[in-house]
Amino acid sequence: DAGITQSPRYKITETGRQVTLMCHQTWSHSYMFWYRQDLGHGLRLIYYSAAADITDKGEVSDGYVVSRSKTENFPLTLESATRSQTSVYFCASSQGHEQYFGPGTRLTVT
Amino acid sequence: QKEVEQDPGPLSVPEGAIVSLNCTYSNSAFQYFMWYRQYSRKGPELLMYTYSSGNKEDGRFTAQVDKSSKYISLFIRDSQPSDSATYLCAMSSSGGSYIPTFGRGTSLIVHP
Repeated sequence: DAGITQSPRYKITETGRQVTLMCHQTWSHSYMFWYRQDLGHGLRLIYYSAAADITDKGEVSDGYVVSRSKTENFPLTLESATRSQTSVYFCASSQGHEQYFGPGTRLTVT
Repeated sequence: QKEVEQDPGPLSVPEGAIVSLNCTYSNSAFQYFMWYRQYSRKGPELLMYTYSSGNKEDGRFTAQVDKSSKYISLFIRDSQPSDSATYLCAMSSSGGSYIPTFGRGTSLIVHP
């Protein structure tokens, strides 16, 4: 199906483990984004990418790593998960100012 | 002070009411204004997108931008229980960087 997908949809991991969240879009949008959404904070930008092989930090990038070797994929890696990274993670893509979001990944770090 | 302010609510209204959701902002460079709707446990979906000042209507929804007051609104006419969701405003400036600033969202409850 066309659109933007995220996997896994739910993930439970332990403190200190590495976790990778996947994001895939079929529109060939240039821009892709990773957000986390927490109660009381709204959406916070973690990383974004303007094109393949071009990435830049958002406001809460510490502890996260991204890559974008292909236009359609934008994986987010938590190098050593901490409890404070328990959150809902949304991937989005855009070709202009309006963004299109994936369904989210609910991550719990125990 | 955050760049974009949005009352978190919840805003509770009876079915059929006219709903007004609002955001204020401080950055006069914002030119593009978006409203997203987010149902519980779902991703945000784009609802309305406007450029600069003025009104835009789409069915029961009207987006209004007043740049002189740095104030944007989303009106929902004949509200339905299915409109119950969190509404996020977002805005961005021109210049090639498509990175919006989001409000924290307003929770709307439409009761039958």
